[in-house]
Amino acid sequence: KAGVTQTPRYLIKTRGQQVTLSCSPISGHRSVSWYQQTPGQGLQFLFEYFSETQRNKGNFPGRFSGRQFSNSRSEMNVSTLELGDSALYLCASRDVRGGEKLFFGSGTQLSVL
Amino acid sequence: DQQVKQNSPSLSVQEGRISILNCDYTNSMFDYFLWYKKYPAEGPTFLISISSIKDKNEDGRFTVFLNKSAKHLSLHIVPSQPGDSAVYFCAASAFNNDMRFGAGTRLTVKP
Repeated sequence: KAGVTQTPRYLIKTRGQQVTLSCSPISGHRSVSWYQQTPGQGLQFLFEYFSETQRNKGNFPGRFSGRQFSNSRSEMNVSTLELGDSALYLCASRDVRGGEKLFFGSGTQLSVL
Repeated sequence: DQQVKQNSPSLSVQEGRISILNCDYTNSMFDYFLWYKKYPAEGPTFLISISSIKDKNEDGRFTVFLNKSAKHLSLHIVPSQPGDSAVYFCAASAFNNDMRFGAGTRLTVKP
């Protein structure tokens, strides 16, 4: 099976712009979660989608949003980018029948200038 | 709020010796705990897990210990190898809730 695929791999944006990141989960996985990784902060939970519905949400401002499509692919959008949004954004998928284990993609490295 | 804490940002050990990585949590609802390993430019990969009904789980060179009363878990790697050098994340989840991660510990295993 192919792993979790995230595109693009790298992004450079300027303050005030918006960005959309994409994630294709492992085939058969219907749960997709997004995390932000910054140095010293570990992985901060953004949100989880299951069957096109947001199931859980972390403590991020409304500028961060996401959605999931009927094929389980997910997108994450950040509007009005700030310098502090520079981070590695990781997507993870899970087979809800197979327990709690998350499978991660390689991430999208976002730099906001 | 940091519900999962890894207080040691880095750890350095000699090849062949034991590596012990520690993790503390505050949420008593957590019932499943995992360790992930991350190399640069890659996503985290699952290493080992333990449910709250156990106090130890072993997989080859890796053993995870859980002390529920202390809300503490640890990962032991014996013997440590240079290829184990990576960032290790502790994670915890409660049923039907999101998974929370610690800040990570960078392990360096010296030849």
